[in-house]
Amino acid sequence: SAVISQKPSRDICQRGTSLTIQCQVDSQVTMMFWYRQQPGQSLTLIATANQGSEATYESGFVIDKFPISRPNLTFSTLTVSNMSPEDSSIYLCSARQGHGYTFGSGTRLTVV
Amino acid sequence: AQSVTQLDSHVSVSEGTPVLLRCNYSSSYSPSLFWYVQHPNKGLQLLLKYTSAATLVKGINGFEAEFKKSETSFHLTKPSAHMSDAAEYFCVVSDSAGGGNKLTFGTGTQLKVEL
Repeated sequence: SAVISQKPSRDICQRGTSLTIQCQVDSQVTMMFWYRQQPGQSLTLIATANQGSEATYESGFVIDKFPISRPNLTFSTLTVSNMSPEDSSIYLCSARQGHGYTFGSGTRLTVV
Repeated sequence: AQSVTQLDSHVSVSEGTPVLLRCNYSSSYSPSLFWYVQHPNKGLQLLLKYTSAATLVKGINGFEAEFKKSETSFHLTKPSAHMSDAAEYFCVVSDSAGGGNKLTFGTGTQLKVEL
């Protein structure tokens, strides 16, 4: 199965700034996904990112706050914009291969 | 629409005793079901998956799960718990609508293993 390298693994950011998270997959995948895991909670899908098209956002998430890029079949980025303490979470990317899904190791974001 | 309910937020067992983590699902289509484990400060690891083949699915580290359509359940079991099994476990459903791309996660079950 695919292996995903996600970075940074953690960061502490000032409110009002932006952070871009990167995910690199070791093989070509059609679909990538971005999730948020708030403290003590489960994973919530932010958006689905297909190469060559706009990302599809879930209810409650908007492109201005979470812009996503998918320039090719092995790479994607998620930006958390104009951060506030409420954005403190773990952010994970995922890729689908066949019937399976692989996850990055996550980015633990703390906004102060 | 699809959803998954993990019936226990915390489960505590003694080392060497059986583990049962309960999961019920709801799906409008033929679902694919997964169990993932998340150790502290680690990424998600796939334990096992059901994709319409055998209803009893064997996974890694001695875990298995049985898909029961009549009960809409996909409970995770292990005959004998090990200290290293202590982690958060997520039951996940993906239905076949639109290619079955969207995963819906349960709220998680924290497994504690005591000596």
